[in-house]
This record gives sequence, C-alpha cells and structure tokens, in this order.
Amino acid sequence: QKEVEQDPGPLSVPEGAIVSLNCTYSNSAFQYFMWYRQYSRKGPELLMYTYSSGNKEDGRFTAQVDKSSKYISLFIRDSQPSDSATYLCAMSAQGNEKLTFGTGTRLTIIP
Amino acid sequence: ETGVTQTPRHLVMGMTNKKSLKCEQHLGHNAMYWYKQSAKKPLELMFVYNFKEQTENNSVPSRFSPECPNSSHLFLHLHTLQPEDSALYLCASSQVGQRETQYFGPGTRLLVL
Repeated sequence: QKEVEQDPGPLSVPEGAIVSLNCTYSNSAFQYFMWYRQYSRKGPELLMYTYSSGNKEDGRFTAQVDKSSKYISLFIRDSQPSDSATYLCAMSAQGNEKLTFGTGTRLTIIP
Repeated sequence: ETGVTQTPRHLVMGMTNKKSLKCEQHLGHNAMYWYKQSAKKPLELMFVYNFKEQTENNSVPSRFSPECPNSSHLFLHLHTLQPEDSALYLCASSQVGQRETQYFGPGTRLLVL
C-alpha cells in the first residue's frame, strides 16, 4: 500500500463548478499537509499548508484535513479555466522533514 | 531574476554524454533540493543540502552527482545516464527546517536517448 494515494484523474468540470480533490494516507504520524498546484511546463507552487486537523480557507480555496479518516481534501469554489493544472498533495510528520507526495490529479476547467 | 531558476529547461543527451543542470535561488534560502518527477509517479526527493552541506542522499545512483558551492547555487552533474532517467528534474529551496514551504523551480525536462 502506498503511503499517499491520490486519484490521477483526469478530472474535467465546467467553469463555475465546485471542485473536490482528495488524498488518503496510511501514516498516522503525518501532521503537516500541503497542496501544490503545477501548471504545464512549470514547477509545483505551494497553494495551501495546514497543520493537524481542521479547515483552512484562502479565497476560493479550502483545505480540509480529517485525521481520523486519514483523508485530506482541497475544494475550489467558482472554478476558473486558470485553475486547470495538476494538483499534488504532500504531507510530513512532526520532527521529520521528509515530504511524501501523491501522484497528482490533473484538473481541467472547461469554459 | 526572482524565485528559483533552472537551466537548461530542456536537455537531450546520449547515454555516454556528460552534462550538468544548474539551479539558482534568489530567495535568501539556506536549504536546496533536487527532485525527480516521472509520469504517474510521486515526486522523488534525490538530494538535500542545508547550508551547502549535503544532508540527504536518497539512494540515488552515482551517475547523478550533486554540487552545492554556496547556498544560492545547486548543480546536478550527469554522466552515463540510462533511458529510464528521462524525467523532469526539479530544484527547490526553503529555509532550513521549513521544508513544508519550499519553492520550486520550473524544472529541466531531460531526455536520455
């Protein structure tokens, strides 16, 4: 079993829809959870960073962590064509700098 | 230049060639990283440098040789590569101890023939 599982997609949704991207993990020691966005021919850029459980909101983006289910989500409201990218989840444990990444979900927002 | 830059952006090399990838960060960070990104696989951390000293080598074959002359520059020297080494090589930087908030460069797309 992989430490982090992420559906590779591709996922296509119409503009304006709410997008839900998810990762599951097996290591209960993970405490830090990140979402990166990677446009084609670019490196990943950090979108959201949360510690432990709960929600964090930044504009149209909401990151949600459910440690009891070992499940994290990224919601995108009012999705735009500019949100079309690959979204990578990543996580790490307290006191351990190693980041474990998911394989990424490729998202396309259709105008 | 801002952020993290990488050169070249694209590289095609034969298995007997020697080439180098270059990374430069303009963020005042003191930790730098090399990652390999292959299709349908998670990002693989290759090397970590903190204050220009190598602190991690994640079982990377010796045909990849990193060099970090100072906290702003990182190189990856390549020799006698294999076709399976074809991938996107990403450089990243952060403050030491803040790997969660690392910044990535655009990557070098490498094709080994």
